[in-house]
Order: sequence, then C-alpha cells, then structure tokens
Amino acid sequence: DGGITQSPKYLFRKEGQNVTLSCEQNLNHDAMYWYRQDPGQGLRLIYYSQIVNDFQKGDIAEGYSVSREKKESFPLTVTSAQKNPTAFYLCASSSAGLISHEQYFGPGTRLTVT
Amino acid sequence: GQQVMQIPQYQHVQEGEDFTTYCNSSTTLSNIQWYKQRPGGHPVFLIQLVKSGEVKKQKRLTFQFGEAKKNSSLHITATQTTDVGTYFCAGPGTGGFKTIFGAGTRLFVKA
Repeated sequence: DGGITQSPKYLFRKEGQNVTLSCEQNLNHDAMYWYRQDPGQGLRLIYYSQIVNDFQKGDIAEGYSVSREKKESFPLTVTSAQKNPTAFYLCASSSAGLISHEQYFGPGTRLTVT
Repeated sequence: GQQVMQIPQYQHVQEGEDFTTYCNSSTTLSNIQWYKQRPGGHPVFLIQLVKSGEVKKQKRLTFQFGEAKKNSSLHITATQTTDVGTYFCAGPGTGGFKTIFGAGTRLFVKA
C-alpha cells in the first residue's frame, strides 16, 4: 500500500524537552511538508522540502527543525524554544511540479506538552 | 503576502439542505484544490480545478473555478450526516512549491 505514515499518533512530553515526530512516505514524492493545526483552525506551514538535502522555512518555523536525508523521510523536531507546542501536526507529500500540487496527508500526530 | 480566504467559517444545516463554501484569493491562481477533513482526521484531497470557469461534479458536490481564476466555490446538494467536516480550499504559493490553504469552512449537519 502506498501512503504516508506518521508516528506516534499521540505524544506527551514535559515542557523543556525536544521531541521528534516521524513522517515516512512510499509514494515516491519529491516534495514533503509539515503543517501545524490548532483546534478549529486551518493549516499553517512549518517547513517544506522540494528535494533531498534541501528544505525551506514556512510561515511558522521558529522553534522547529527538520532534516531531509532520504526521499522517503522528513522528520520534524519540536524544540524547547517553541513557546506553544501543543497542537496537531500533519505531514504531507506531493509530486513536485508547477501545475499539480495536490497533497497527500498522513494521519497526524497529536502532541501535548505539559 | 498572498492570501486565500474562505467564508463562512462555520455553517450549521439541517440534513437535506444545501451548503456552499466560498474561496477567494488575493492573486490569480494557476489551479485550486479542495480538501475535506473529517472530525479527528486528516485532510483528504477531493479535486483540483485548473481552467478558468471550470465546473466539476462529484455526486452531490459541485466545484467551480471563477473566470478570473481568483475565486472558487464548493456546493453540496442535499447534505447528509456523512458530509460533516471541514472543507479547505488551497492554491499554489507564488515563487515556490508550497500550497496556501484557506482557513476552512466547518460544516455541521443536524439529522
């Protein structure tokens, strides 16, 4: 089955700890994205990557970091510098291209920091 | 900066009533996509519109792309409880490969 997996589904951490969220895809997509969604809100872009070993900051990158060492994987680290990390985090991928940008989303990780 | 706005933010309907959500972009879009997110779930791609004035149908859902390619709408005929969720429109961001999402319209359907 082709798709995007995110793990874990729920994650609980203490304030001051860094935490890494996993995102893996086997769709052979070049582009991958991380979004944050707060209750009742839309999607805000954290980071995106068009190709391996390259990534760009989105609209709310402060307090987050990413890596793209493999085409299939785009892990997101939520650092202790992120002031309000509790949220629903969604990873997505798409075929890179100027016309078609439809994105395929993983099931998401709900992070709670106390 | 580039913005994609959606109205209304929320819509409550009785089952069987129609529903429409509207999407407006501050810039001309090469294409627009629509996604649906069920409560507790993740966004799922519904459709992409590319041509000016394009209209596409998926069963009870009708999608339109404006003539100027700056607005779009999603109309659901005779809503059902399975239509509950948040509907997002999205367009390509300028100068890169990122997608700009609207804030979404949350649909509540009362049986």
